Amino acid sequence: DAGVTQSPTHLIKTRGQQVTLRCSPKSGHDTVSWYQQALGQGPQFIFQYYEEEERQRGNFPDRFSGHQFPNYSSELNVNALLLGDSALYLCASSLLPGLAGDSYEQYFGPGTRLTVT
Amino acid sequence: GQNIDQPTEMTATEGAIVQINCTYQTSGFNGLFWYQQHAGEAPTFLSYNVLDGLEEKGRFSSFLSRSKGYSYLLLKELQMKDSASYLCAVKRREDRGSTLGRLYFGRGTQLTVWP
Repeated sequence: DAGVTQSPTHLIKTRGQQVTLRCSPKSGHDTVSWYQQALGQGPQFIFQYYEEEERQRGNFPDRFSGHQFPNYSSELNVNALLLGDSALYLCASSLLPGLAGDSYEQYFGPGTRLTVT
Repeated sequence: GQNIDQPTEMTATEGAIVQINCTYQTSGFNGLFWYQQHAGEAPTFLSYNVLDGLEEKGRFSSFLSRSKGYSYLLLKELQMKDSASYLCAVKRREDRGSTLGRLYFGRGTQLTVWP
């Protein structure tokens, strides 16, 4: 059973460039969330996709956008990169819970380490 | 926003017991998670509490008091491999009533286990 996969593992970009990160959810999962984790901090929610639509969004500027494909995989795009965008970007997948009391456990991928210089 | 507080660092020795506390303030509380994260790796799920009380899973236990906005993770028989960051995360049922909640994470507690 394949878990959550992300690509690339590491990425180095310069300020002003654009980047696309990719995520494949755990088999059977239909919901994908993206998080940004700066060094020494907890993950911060960027947005969540379900049925190819953005359903929830955290406090991130419009430079951060995403997409979900019919096979449930997802992309995170960041435009006009800033030095402060350097972080570990985590993708998490889960199942839309159908019953009350479901744990809604989110499974995290290994992350993409983005460095902006 | 959500206020989730946990100690920044803790240390303990092998074989000991350590308790990592987490306090939170949120509306629409819909569960609390503990994750373990080794340096440079993804968070891995440890436990989930939605009702008051203690959940035990091997060497790890987690407790929740919703009225106090308080949880703790208890690690017994500590091993060197338990050295990691422990993240407390709260799930909310969003105002729109969607079941698609998001996780609000604390900053994590860096646990160092000494031999």
